[in-house]
Amino acid sequence: GENVEQHPSTLSVQEGDSAVIKCTYSDSASNYFPWYKQELGKRPQLIIDIRSNVGEKKDQRIAVTLNKTAKHFSLHITETQPEDSAVYFCAANQGGKLIFGQGTELSVKP
Amino acid sequence: KAGVTQTPRYLIKTRGQQVTLSCSPISGHRSVSWYQQTPGQGLQFLFEYFSETQRNKGNFPGRFSGRQFSNSRSEMNVSTLELGDSALYLCASTSVLASPTDTQYFGPGTRLTVL
Repeated sequence: GENVEQHPSTLSVQEGDSAVIKCTYSDSASNYFPWYKQELGKRPQLIIDIRSNVGEKKDQRIAVTLNKTAKHFSLHITETQPEDSAVYFCAANQGGKLIFGQGTELSVKP
Repeated sequence: KAGVTQTPRYLIKTRGQQVTLSCSPISGHRSVSWYQQTPGQGLQFLFEYFSETQRNKGNFPGRFSGRQFSNSRSEMNVSTLELGDSALYLCASTSVLASPTDTQYFGPGTRLTVL
């Protein structure tokens, strides 16, 4: 069935540390994997995405890795800052729709 | 370009009533998807419209319906409201080509409360 699992559900780190969020998907035909950040009371905002023709993509402090064989992908945030605190959602396209993970609430303590 | 807009931003209804929500995509975007966001279920796909046709549908009952107009604006309707329909309803628009690997841009959402 259509399923994206995301772990952990909550993550607390000290400012300056790294944060890693992992997702697995079920449909081997999925070829697009975006990550969204949602601050309290705001809309989800795309922070990075990866398509299946690459294994890694980086944008400043944020990177995403994709392992198509294992059907999992991960978000890496380095040198975390308090403004990184938010809920992060992974997603995978399956059957023409975006299926989202349950979200990870990241808290960065100063 | 202006972003995705949704109206109204907040709605309070009672059980049994119906509600219509509106979404205006980014200018030039032709695909609009709708999602329901709740604390327990996360973001769940409702349906997607492209060129006035429903192209994909999620696993929601028939009380949830939608449509898209020739200018790409979309509406969703929920009939016979239930308490469990209380949620943030988000729409997202996708670029001109609207392929499955295109970025989706979200609107601010409509917060629906059913009493």
